Amino acid sequence: EAGVTQSPTHLIKTRGQQATLRCSPISGHTSVYWYQQALGLGLQFLLWYDEGEERNRGNFPPRFSGRQFPNYSSELNVNALELEDSALYLCASSPMGTLNTGELFFGEGSRLTVL
Amino acid sequence: DAKTTQPTSMDCAEGRAANLPCNHSTISGNEYVYWYRQIHSQGPQYIIHGLKNNETNEMASLIITEDRKSSTLILPHATLRDTAVYYCIVLMYSGGGADGLTFGKGTHLIIQP
Repeated sequence: EAGVTQSPTHLIKTRGQQATLRCSPISGHTSVYWYQQALGLGLQFLLWYDEGEERNRGNFPPRFSGRQFPNYSSELNVNALELEDSALYLCASSPMGTLNTGELFFGEGSRLTVL
Repeated sequence: DAKTTQPTSMDCAEGRAANLPCNHSTISGNEYVYWYRQIHSQGPQYIIHGLKNNETNEMASLIITEDRKSSTLILPHATLRDTAVYYCIVLMYSGGGADGLTFGKGTHLIIQP
């Protein structure tokens, strides 16, 4: 069974540009979560999507946005990039309902560098 | 969700048991304790979780105190590959999804050869 896949693995952008990161959850998982991990810091919760809807949002500005598609894959968009947006962006998925044990399954992340 | 307190770092000799403590003194009755670990530059990996009773799986054991205000993750025979940051998280799991797990800075466990 394929795990959570993220693309691209690495992305280099300059200040002011936009970045789009993609995530494919494990087959059968309907929830997708996005986290940011800046160098030396813990994981900061960004967004939670389920069944195409945004369910919760962390303490990030509106230029961080995303969406979930009918096949449950997800995109994270970061507009007007700033230097401090340089980080590892992690996606995780989980099933919903009775299959959910609270366990999140993480991908390997997309490393965004803003120059 | 209740907050957790973990030591910043710990050392353990290879082959010995690694005992990682976590304090969660404000935990409420319906909150679970979860442990994840993150090996350098990889995505976090689920280890184990529990509510009241001690739990064991192929990776680790979780010991939760009777008052549930603290817990200990035990790696019974640590190997060099267990060097990672270990996160203790308290979560009110309602069956509706993990509503934005909050990861603190965790404990950096270093296994010494």
